[in-house]
Amino acid sequence: DVKVTQSSRYLVKRTGEKVFLECVQDMDHENMFWYRQDPGLGLRLIYFSYDVKMKEKGDIPEGYSVSREKKERFSLILESASTNQTSMYLCASTGPPPTDTQYFGPGTRLTVL
Amino acid sequence: GIQVEQSPPDLILQEGANSTLRCNFSDSVNNLQWFHQNPWGQLINLFYIPSGTKQNGRLSATTVATERYSLLYISSSQTTDSGVYFCAVERWAAGNKLTFGGGTRVLVKP
Repeated sequence: DVKVTQSSRYLVKRTGEKVFLECVQDMDHENMFWYRQDPGLGLRLIYFSYDVKMKEKGDIPEGYSVSREKKERFSLILESASTNQTSMYLCASTGPPPTDTQYFGPGTRLTVL
Repeated sequence: GIQVEQSPPDLILQEGANSTLRCNFSDSVNNLQWFHQNPWGQLINLFYIPSGTKQNGRLSATTVATERYSLLYISSSQTTDSGVYFCAVERWAAGNKLTFGGGTRVLVKP
């Protein structure tokens, strides 16, 4: 079974803090993704990565950066957290075709005060 | 970008009932997936179904790519089927990037 884990289920940070959200997958997947989920807005793609040290912007990258130093780990970084970044953050990974199924982690509910 | 619309937005079922959820999309796709998000927030992939029909237990899905829609059938619903069902699509050559619909929130009452 594919397993995608995220470092925290719940996180509370203060405005201006630097925040790291970690995601690890154990299936040697090339592709990894970070989404945020907000009521009424659904899931929106923040960043994704096709390989180590490669990253591409998704639909809402502003205020975020990412790091992928190892294949199994994809980190989302909030350089200076703001209250409008309070959200549920979901990490996913997927293998190469034909196995394009996306597997999600349990999510991190981040609150920025 | 591609638009993905799901209907109905909300569905209340009595345990044992059957139901159909619909996903319409605005452009050709090479990837369509259905997910279930449980009340704790975990998203589970139900089907990878860019075309055709698949069945998994009480759930089945059909995608008619030429007409740009997909249907998810839930038969003999159980309370554990409660949650939000998402349809997500990938346009051709979009590099595994999925666009999600708004979801259908399902509540199955005992």
